[in-house]
Amino acid sequence: KAGVTQTPRYLIKTRGQQVTLSCSPISGHRSVSWYQQTPGQGLQFLFEYFSETQRNKGNFPGRFSGRQFSNSRSEMNVSTLELGDSALYLCASQTQLAGTDTQYFGPGTRLTVL
Amino acid sequence: AQSVSQHNHHVILSEAASLELGCNYSYGGTVNLFWYVQYPGQHLQLLLKYFSGDPLVKGIKGFEAEFIKSKFSFNLRKPSVQWSDTAEYFCAVNGRSNYQLIWGAGTKLIIKP
Repeated sequence: KAGVTQTPRYLIKTRGQQVTLSCSPISGHRSVSWYQQTPGQGLQFLFEYFSETQRNKGNFPGRFSGRQFSNSRSEMNVSTLELGDSALYLCASQTQLAGTDTQYFGPGTRLTVL
Repeated sequence: AQSVSQHNHHVILSEAASLELGCNYSYGGTVNLFWYVQYPGQHLQLLLKYFSGDPLVKGIKGFEAEFIKSKFSFNLRKPSVQWSDTAEYFCAVNGRSNYQLIWGAGTKLIIKP
């Protein structure tokens, strides 16, 4: 089975711009979660989608949003970029068949905001 | 508040040394526990997980972890490390109805050849 894929792998933007990141989960996985990884804050949960519905949301401003499509693919969007948004954005998928489940991670999208 | 604490941020060992990385968590209810590893330039990979049953779980590459419920701990161990174990190790926890992973700060492990 192919793993979680994320595109693009690298992105450079300037302050004030917006960006869209894409994630394709493992085939059969219906849940997609997004995390932000920075040297200072570590790994932080952004949001989780299941069957096109956001089920959980982390403590991030409204500039961070996401969605999930009927094929389980997910996108996250960051508007009005700030320097502090520079980070590795990770996507993880899981089957969501039970409360005991494992999240599998993609390689991430490294976003640099100048 | 839900949190995960990893005691050591940086660990340097020689090859063949034994390894133990500490992880303590604060989380209400039944938990799932995980150790992930991030090798240089690679993505997060699952090392091992605990859901229920035998509190001593074995993972890939000779790693194991012990869940001690009374101590809210899930320490990672390996009897003899190799240079290829150089990586960053993350402990994480979530609940049975909330799949959001709560992460420790990570431990950077360097193995000297």
